[in-house]
Amino acid sequence: DAGVIQSPRHEVTEMGQEVTLRCKPISGHDYLFWYRQTMMRGLELLIYFNNNVPIDDSGMPEDRFSAKMPNASFSTLKIQPSEPRDSAVYFCASSPSLRGTEAFFGQGTRLTVV
Amino acid sequence: AQSVTQLDSHVSVSEGTPVLLRCNYSSSYSPSLFWYVQHPNKGLQLLLKYTSAATLVKGINGFEAEFKKSETSFHLTKPSAHMSDAAEYFCVVSSGGYQKVTFGTGTKLQVIP
Repeated sequence: DAGVIQSPRHEVTEMGQEVTLRCKPISGHDYLFWYRQTMMRGLELLIYFNNNVPIDDSGMPEDRFSAKMPNASFSTLKIQPSEPRDSAVYFCASSPSLRGTEAFFGQGTRLTVV
Repeated sequence: AQSVTQLDSHVSVSEGTPVLLRCNYSSSYSPSLFWYVQHPNKGLQLLLKYTSAATLVKGINGFEAEFKKSETSFHLTKPSAHMSDAAEYFCVVSSGGYQKVTFGTGTKLQVIP
């Protein structure tokens, strides 16, 4: 398996524009996580899915953020409208289960909002 | 409630000397504990994990960690640092019904030649 695949690797956009980040989890993994990493806040869990269903979205910062998982092999994180404070590295991770198993991380998407 | 405290934000060691990265946790349930490493501009890679089996856990690249319930600690060690070990290290706790995951704030390891 190629691992968790995220696209794009880098995204630069203007304030107010819509941004969509994409993630393909490892095949067979039932859990998918979206994290955000910044210098100020470290790693934050935004939302996670189990079998394509959102389980906990309490980490989503505000209504401008939304995440979907239309099928087991694809998820999106959308920011609309984007703001400069959304600039961060966004990681997607997947795991086969929760109890006692690790999450496998993608390489991340570095988002810059100017 | 669940939390992770990485006691040092930066650690600097000389190449060939031992590494100690400290982590304390709190959890109301029996936790699973993990150490991840992140090299610059890279994703996170699992170093090792504890899941209620042996308390001394060996990981990749010569790292190991010992789960000490009485001290609520899970410190990461390596006998001899290598230049390639320079990276940021995250201690992670997972517990509870939905296995809530909490990351520590990270420790940046610098290895001096």
